[in-house]
Amino acid sequence: EAGVTQSPTHLIKTRGQQATLRCSPISGHTSVYWYQQALGLGLQFLLWYDEGEERNRGNFPPRFSGRQFPNYSSELNVNALELEDSALYLCASSPGLAGWAGELFFGEGSRLTVL
Amino acid sequence: GENVEQHPSTLSVQEGDSAVIKCTYSDSASNYFPWYKQELGKGPQLIIDIRSNVGEKKDQRIAVTLNKTAKHFSLHITETQPEDSAVYFCAASPRLGQFYFGTGTSLTVIP
Repeated sequence: EAGVTQSPTHLIKTRGQQATLRCSPISGHTSVYWYQQALGLGLQFLLWYDEGEERNRGNFPPRFSGRQFPNYSSELNVNALELEDSALYLCASSPGLAGWAGELFFGEGSRLTVL
Repeated sequence: GENVEQHPSTLSVQEGDSAVIKCTYSDSASNYFPWYKQELGKGPQLIIDIRSNVGEKKDQRIAVTLNKTAKHFSLHITETQPEDSAVYFCAASPRLGQFYFGTGTSLTVIP
C-alpha cells in the first residue's frame, strides 16, 4: 500500500513569489494535515482538511492557504514568500474521524527554500 | 491553547544504555499522547502512544509513562541500538484531529 506522497521534494523560490505544495493521502484516508517543520521549532500545525472542508487552522498568516480535492489529495499554497518560510513542509493523513485511533501517517515532506 | 515542552533537545547514549525523553503539557483536556520517531530524510512515524486512562504502556524496548496530575509524560528506550538514533517528538492531543508537538529530541546512540 502506498504511503503519503508529497511533491515536489525540493523547491527553491525567491522572496515575494508563490509556492504550491501537493500531497496525496493514503488510499481510503479522508483527512489531510499540513505541518511546518522549521529548524529548532518542531512541528507547527498549519491546516487540517477532512472530507473537502477546512476543519482547523493553525496560527499562521492568511498567505498560507490550501484546499482538499474530491479525491482527498491536497495542496498548500504560500503567497508572498518570506525568508522565514524556508522549512520542511510535512503532510499527514488519517482515516475518517469515526473509529480513528489517532495515528497520523506522514509523508517525507517538501523542502522549501526561499532566497 | 496547549503548550508542549520537550527535554532534552539533544541526547547521546552508549549502545545498550537507556534513554529517557520528557515532555510536559498545559491543557488538562489533552487525553492522547503519541510519540513519533523521525529518521533522517523521512517523515515522522508513530512508535508508541498512550491515552489518559492509562499510566504506562510498553512495547518491547520502548515504554511511555503518563502522570496526569503533574501533566507530564516520558518516553523510555532500553537497551539502545544504533538504529534508535533519530529525532523523537512527543505530542499532546486535546481533541480529535488536534495535535501539539514538542520541539524534538535528537538521540544519538554511540556504538
